[in-house]
Amino acid sequence: QKEVEQNSGPLSVPEGAIASLNCTYSDRGSQSFFWYRQYSGKSPELIMSIYSNGDKEDGRFTAQLNKASQYVSLLIRDSQPSDSATYLCAVTRPDNTDKLIFGTGTRLQVFP
Amino acid sequence: GAGVSQSPSNKVTEKGKDVELRCDPISGHTALYWYRQSLGQGLEFLIYFQGNSAPDKSGLPSDRFSAERTGGSVSTLTIQRTQQEDSAVYLCASSLRTGANVLTFGAGSRLTVL
Repeated sequence: QKEVEQNSGPLSVPEGAIASLNCTYSDRGSQSFFWYRQYSGKSPELIMSIYSNGDKEDGRFTAQLNKASQYVSLLIRDSQPSDSATYLCAVTRPDNTDKLIFGTGTRLQVFP
Repeated sequence: GAGVSQSPSNKVTEKGKDVELRCDPISGHTALYWYRQSLGQGLEFLIYFQGNSAPDKSGLPSDRFSAERTGGSVSTLTIQRTQQEDSAVYLCASSLRTGANVLTFGAGSRLTVL
């Protein structure tokens, strides 16, 4: 079992729709969770972090964390073609909060 | 510097040769990480440095891989006797402090082993 699992996609949504990206993790003790966005040929950039159960909103982005079910999700409202990218979920290990473990990413395509 | 700088941006080498990849982190960032990203794959952790502490080398895939960080700043990742499976983008990231996990990535070094 991979430590961080994501559906590779592509996830295709029409412009203006809500895109829902999901991630599950294997280590129940993980404490910190992150979403990075990576455009094709570019390096990842942080878009959201979440540490507590529940929702965290930032503009069109909402991160959701459910530690009991060991999943974290990212919702993108009013999706735009410029949101088309690969979204990487990252989790820290409970025994080493300095080490970020990344999933393989979900490719999102927003079509006009 | 303003961002994380990596060099070379592209490196093509022959199987069996040694390569060195360089990373210059953001000034003042004490933590430095190396990740590897193969085509269509996620980021694979290789090694990280924090200040003067011993580096966490747990992600290095074999003893052909090594890294050092001089003066708490610039880091060099060395791959000896390169193999075709070493072909990937090698990403360096730095962070203001450990535990914050807000990593700023460089543009990466694309390594192709023929």
